[in-house]
Amino acid sequence: GQQVMQIPQYQHVQEGEDFTTYCNSSTTLSNIQWYKQRPGGHPVFLIQLVKSGEVKKQKRLTFQFGEAKKNSSLHITATQTTDVGTYFCACSMNSGYALNFGKGTSLLVTP
Amino acid sequence: GAGVSQSPSNKVTEKGKDVELRCDPISGHTALYWYRQSLGQGLEFLIYFQGNSAPDKSGLPSDRFSAERTGGSVSTLTIQRTQQEDSAVYLCASSLSGLAGDTQYFGPGTRLTVL
Repeated sequence: GQQVMQIPQYQHVQEGEDFTTYCNSSTTLSNIQWYKQRPGGHPVFLIQLVKSGEVKKQKRLTFQFGEAKKNSSLHITATQTTDVGTYFCACSMNSGYALNFGKGTSLLVTP
Repeated sequence: GAGVSQSPSNKVTEKGKDVELRCDPISGHTALYWYRQSLGQGLEFLIYFQGNSAPDKSGLPSDRFSAERTGGSVSTLTIQRTQQEDSAVYLCASSLSGLAGDTQYFGPGTRLTVL
């Protein structure tokens, strides 16, 4: 089935610095979703990208889907302590409906 | 409105015992998913229900795991003869239509500890 790999596994930044996590696949993806999981919490949907080259913004978060639909990125500008958590990308499995999640990037932001 | 709820929130059991985990999806959502998350790991797909269709059980790790969904709503995940490697957070999610790319809404999870 379709798999996604995420890098880096961990990232520690100072508050105010930027942060980027990357999601890569060896196969073309029909869509990519991003989720955030706060420490001790459950995954919460952030966004879905469907179109080649698509870029979506949510305040300080910018999501991109590659032209070949094989990679995606999440960029956070001027991180805040509230951004702490693990960010997962996920793609639809070949069965169509359940999701294959990457292993996530854990972000730690220190004041 | 009410989100996805799961019970119990925590379950400690002894090796070899059976456990049942419950999930109440968002009302009106036709699709329900079970995932497992081990410490510091990503989410591992277990099983998927969509309406009255046969469930997709392709992610169940062994025949000790089973799940059912009664009346198209509540689901129960059963683990028989639990092993220590079954210790994880079991997450349930639901989505409105179950179509590819549909947003999944997760419950708070059940943390299972097998001693």
